[in-house]
Amino acid sequence: GQQLNQSPQSMFIQEGEDVSMNCTSSSIFNTWLWYKQDPGEGPVLLIALYKAGELTSNGRLTAQFGITRKDSFLNISASIPSDVGIYFCAGQLGGGNTDKLIFGTGTRLQVFP
Amino acid sequence: DSGVTQTPKHLITATGQRVTLRCSPRSGDLSVYWYQQSLDQGLQFLIQYYNGEERAKGNILERFSAQQFPDLHSELNLSSLELGDSALYFCASSVVGQGLYNEQFFGPGTRLTVL
Repeated sequence: GQQLNQSPQSMFIQEGEDVSMNCTSSSIFNTWLWYKQDPGEGPVLLIALYKAGELTSNGRLTAQFGITRKDSFLNISASIPSDVGIYFCAGQLGGGNTDKLIFGTGTRLQVFP
Repeated sequence: DSGVTQTPKHLITATGQRVTLRCSPRSGDLSVYWYQQSLDQGLQFLIQYYNGEERAKGNILERFSAQQFPDLHSELNLSSLELGDSALYFCASSVVGQGLYNEQFFGPGTRLTVL
């Protein structure tokens, strides 16, 4: 099935460090989303981006919708232990009669104290 | 708590068997989505229902089927199970299900293990 290319696959960082991950697609999307999944839980929305070039922040998280509409990045500043989890990007084409999500392959983040 | 409930939380069964996974969407949400998360395939969209009608299909196997009932809960039926069907199955719901972005809220998932 279709998936977005997400990198890096995993990251091991020290508490306080900044983190950056990105997502690319061969297709254009109208909405880019970033989700976080904790162990044993479903994904939870972190940030939604609606326009090409848009830069949006949510606390220590910042995400951008690429100009080409084929990529997005997520930055986490000053990481803390509770940032541990799997981060997924997702694209939503919108329009038509469905708004299904196409997910990235995920970035597993581990934060060491 | 997203407001989306899924049962059961865990399911262990044998190859060749049939199982039913159940999802109750958030109050007021009309659209339900099913996603499969396996280790080697990530999160894959399976199927979407809106107000009882099938809206979109992804890479859903013919052995799998789903439906949404008048009370808006949904069931995903998996039959002739194979080892490769072992995965986490998530249900999500949203208010509308088409057009501009509507946030999808995910349930806690059902972990299916096929032995």
